[in-house]
Amino acid sequence: DAEITQSPRHKITETGRQVTLACHQTWNHNNMFWYRQDLGHGLRLIHYSYGVQDTNKGEVSDGYSVSRSNTEDLPLTLESAASSQTSVYFCASSESGGWTDTQYFGPGTRLTVL
Amino acid sequence: AQSVAQPEDQVNVAEGNPLTVKCTYSVSGNPYLFWYVQYPNRGLQFLLKYITGDNLVKGSYGFEAEFNKSQTSFHLKKPSALVSDSALYFCAVRDKGSGSARQLTFGSGTQLTVLP
Repeated sequence: DAEITQSPRHKITETGRQVTLACHQTWNHNNMFWYRQDLGHGLRLIHYSYGVQDTNKGEVSDGYSVSRSNTEDLPLTLESAASSQTSVYFCASSESGGWTDTQYFGPGTRLTVL
Repeated sequence: AQSVAQPEDQVNVAEGNPLTVKCTYSVSGNPYLFWYVQYPNRGLQFLLKYITGDNLVKGSYGFEAEFNKSQTSFHLKKPSALVSDSALYFCAVRDKGSGSARQLTFGSGTQLTVLP
């Protein structure tokens, strides 16, 4: 069955280190998204991509970067991890990117920055 | 700008009773509305969406939602709650009139607890 996976599921790192979170989908969806989930804020969009070589900044993109070299993967990189980036990170994908498009989510990565 | 409000952080209901999880939205154009559910330590799962047409939308696991344009609401409902419905519920909106890049905006979530 097609799916969307994230790795690692849990990560502890130190302030200032570079961290990369992986997201892989097998639906062949063009669109991929990264969100962070924090108590009281729901999900906030970090970056998104509508296709290979396309990346866009979301609401809370400072300190994060993404690259899209193929359809299946959208890794999220924290250039220099900060304690404020302790959060749960969700990757999502969708097929068409249209107004009625449904996004499907991965299981999440819990990141702790000490 | 589009926004979503879930006015209740926590909703408790007895098993077998009807449940309602509230959602109101603000958009400049036509809204496209979604409900997702999140079980502990899991990702969000899609429940249902309103695009156009019938104001009552039926979704997965017996859930339904009613779109009310005059009240700018999209409340999630279920006639008879199950203990297994206990989870975190998110409402989300996409605003076709915003001119934005078709992004979803999520509410802050409502924790539903169904008591046996």
